[in-house]
Amino acid sequence: QVQLVQSGAEVKKPGASVKVSCKASAYTFTGYYIHWVRQAPGQGLEWMGWINPNTGGTDCAQRFQGRVTMTRDTSISTAFMELSSLRSDDTAVYSCARGGSISSVLRGLMIHWGQGALVTVSS
Amino acid sequence: ENVLTQSPGTLSLSPGERATLSCRASQSVSSSYLAWYQQRPGQAPRLLIYGASSRATGIPDRFSGSGSGTDFIFTISRLEPEDFAVYYCQQYGSSPTFGQGTRLEIK
Repeated sequence: QVQLVQSGAEVKKPGASVKVSCKASAYTFTGYYIHWVRQAPGQGLEWMGWINPNTGGTDCAQRFQGRVTMTRDTSISTAFMELSSLRSDDTAVYSCARGGSISSVLRGLMIHWGQGALVTVSS
Repeated sequence: ENVLTQSPGTLSLSPGERATLSCRASQSVSSSYLAWYQQRPGQAPRLLIYGASSRATGIPDRFSGSGSGTDFIFTISRLEPEDFAVYYCQQYGSSPTFGQGTRLEIK
């Protein structure tokens, strides 16, 4: 079955960067978008961006432009999300999610989810 | 950005009752690219509805969705104990956005 396994929890200081990984298995990695979504404690879901693993092309929400970098390594079926200039309000669970087929309008859905990685930003 | 506003914020009902949740978009959602997710405490969200009214694989038929343009409705016909959770709408056009969520709690 489709599985997304993320890296573990991180504690960072304000101003630092964090890089979260998302290893995919049991499907063709280059055939489906990977989305990044975060959820602050007790808050709702916030879409951060997506990467097309086939081309490496990305798009992100305007509020993260200039601070988020999404990459992938197709040789190990893994996507990465790096967030820089961390602030205390970046404390959240960061999740990757697989969309529908790249060639489908359903690519914007989030169908399969990773287990999430808690990032805590504290001095 | 297409802002999605969900109402009510919290809905208190009893098992067996009908739940009706609303999602209003600030701009028309193209081709009804509107989805609904369920999130139970400590769990990842689960896709329930896409295309405004199509059930995802394995989703019971007590869950349904409708609407178009800027106004969408999500309905649970008869609440089961496991349905008490938070529900999010999402538009999956060019840049996806989520609503702020509706908490469905046991009365």
